[in-house]
Order: sequence, then structure tokens, then C-alpha cells
Amino acid sequence: DIVMTQSPDSLAVSLGERATINCKSSQSVLYSSNNKNCLAWYQQKPGQPPKLLIYWASTRESGVPDRFSGSGSGTDFTLTISSLQAEDVAVYYCQQYYSTPLYTFGQGTKLEIK
Amino acid sequence: QVQLVQSGAEVKNPGASVKVSCKASGYTFSSYGISWVRQAPGQGLEWMGWISAYNGNTNYAQKLQGRVTMTTDTSTSTAYMELRSLRSDDTAVYYCARDCTGGVCYNPLWYWGRGTLVTVSS
Repeated sequence: DIVMTQSPDSLAVSLGERATINCKSSQSVLYSSNNKNCLAWYQQKPGQPPKLLIYWASTRESGVPDRFSGSGSGTDFTLTISSLQAEDVAVYYCQQYYSTPLYTFGQGTKLEIK
Repeated sequence: QVQLVQSGAEVKNPGASVKVSCKASGYTFSSYGISWVRQAPGQGLEWMGWISAYNGNTNYAQKLQGRVTMTTDTSTSTAYMELRSLRSDDTAVYYCARDCTGGVCYNPLWYWGRGTLVTVSS
């Protein structure tokens, strides 16, 4: 199975500041047919299901604020929140869908306000 | 709009079985599949398996092979996940999510149900 490892496990950032979460896969998730990375980011708030934020490593889902951006390729990926808002407090997960449908998720990063 | 409505919370004894339902609306059920993902209290997300609503093909996580069965009823647009021989570490919120019908489609999970809490306790 492809192992997804996120860092850090938790993060405290001041309002308006940048938050950066990293995700590393144990093997490349680059899909050769379209040269895109099979990497998604989800946001999960307490008592709610995960919400898709980013797919293909850098494509923002419709309705997601543009302060959220994804980058990276191959095995190393980053989710960046450019200016943290109070409503961004959540746990963030990366997911690979390269070995579809055997999906694997990172362990999650808890984002809090400093 | 796509909706996945799951059945209510369950409390089960160790060794029992549980069957969770996921009723889909807002799209053609048989044109997609359903993945099931669970989340133990305070823990991360674990993919359990996938079923095609088109032909019933399944793919289960190896650690659950033999204990889990996923089915669909196209007449009611409902997917089911049955887990047997329950243990305390099966206590979790169980989510259904819309997936592709072919099993290999290189898509994330766009739509999720709200989850069903299954508690295993004597």
C-alpha cells in the first residue's frame, strides 16, 4: 500500500498568517496518462465528514476560497493557507487516489489558532 | 444535488454484526460506485472498500477481508456495508462516499455521507 505521511501533526498559526502542511507519499502518485498527481486534500471539522478542497494536487474544488492552494509533484506535496481565518480551524488530510480504489490517507494535521 | 443519507447510530456487542445503509439521491445511482471509509474516535481516515453500483464488483481492504460485505440495491439507490465479528476497535464513524463505477478511475471522493457512529461495547 502507498503510505501517506503528513507533517506536522499539529500546527498553531496566528490569524492572517500563512499555514503550511506537508504530505509525503511512499511512492510516486504521478498518473502518466495525464501527467497529473493523484493527490487530494480534505478539510474536516468536528462532527462533519471530510470536505474536498484540492484535487490533482493543485486544482481547487469549486467554492473553495482562493487562500487555499496545493502544490508539489511525485512524492512531496504541500497545502498552503495564505492568510488563516478563524473558520479554517480543522483537521486536514491528504489522500492518494493513484492506487484507486485502494485509497490511503495521511494521519491528519490539526490546525489551530495561535 | 448529490446527497448520501446514512442510517442512524448503532450500539453492538462484541461478536455481533452491523449493517449500515447509505441512500443516494441527486444522481444516477448505477452510474457510480460507493466507497466506505471509517474513522475511529480521535483518529484518521481508513478506507474500507468499494462497490460498483453498476455490476456489484467489490474491492475490500485486506485487513477487513472475510469480515466485511458491501452490497447495493439499485431499486432503492441504497448501498449497504455489513461488518461481522465486531470488536471494540471497530468502534468508529462509518462514512459512505460516492466513487466511480469502474473501480479504477483516478478521482478523489467528492461527495460524502454524514457518517454513522457504530459503538462496539459490552
